[in-house]
Amino acid sequence: GAGVSQSPRYKVAKRGQDVALRCDPISGHVSLFWYQQALGQGPEFLTYFQNEAQLDKSGLPSDRFFAERPEGSVSTLKIQRTQQEDSAVYLCASRSQGFGNTIYFGEGSWLTVV
Amino acid sequence: AQKVTQAQTEISVVEKEDVTLDCVYETRDTTYYLFWYKQPPSGELVFLIRRNSFDEQNEISGRYSWNFQKSTSSFNFTITASQVVDSAVYFCALSEAQTGYALNFGKGTSLLVTP
Repeated sequence: GAGVSQSPRYKVAKRGQDVALRCDPISGHVSLFWYQQALGQGPEFLTYFQNEAQLDKSGLPSDRFFAERPEGSVSTLKIQRTQQEDSAVYLCASRSQGFGNTIYFGEGSWLTVV
Repeated sequence: AQKVTQAQTEISVVEKEDVTLDCVYETRDTTYYLFWYKQPPSGELVFLIRRNSFDEQNEISGRYSWNFQKSTSSFNFTITASQVVDSAVYFCALSEAQTGYALNFGKGTSLLVTP
């Protein structure tokens, strides 16, 4: 597709359930980012991939959060044993080769933990 | 510490007024990039503009203009003759080497344009 695609758009999970959020970046984009955006806040960095290598995961809030990009294209953000504080929008973004290039965002996956 | 500060939390203007959104950033890098994004109620972050630290030339694009001043570490954004469709949250973001050039966002300014 032309843009960054994320699925599901909306997810309601019961507390304790595991969830998996998928991101399909713009074709050919080598860099992929995950962000978490709580209601009324700016996006907060979670993790960053360069091709299949996860170069920075300093923003992952706990070891319940795990991200992968095994073939350097599609990425999955997995949250284990979800808790209410995990409720947020999870934004995926991608960037073509070049650090200063524009980072393009998907529409986000809205996660609500009940 | 907050690297990008958007002091204005909410701004409300009447259609056709001009409005300036303020952004102040903090970095020790000499090479960095600054961005503005718009987030309408639908939620998607829409890219508006990118500037690198070596390009202080200000620009006008239609109703949008930007004022980048390294001396004051500011990257302000102005909408001329605002329209109702401009209502959104606007985010300023910094990209620098020490964070792998990931985006570090401010908290956003919510702009409401009323008819």
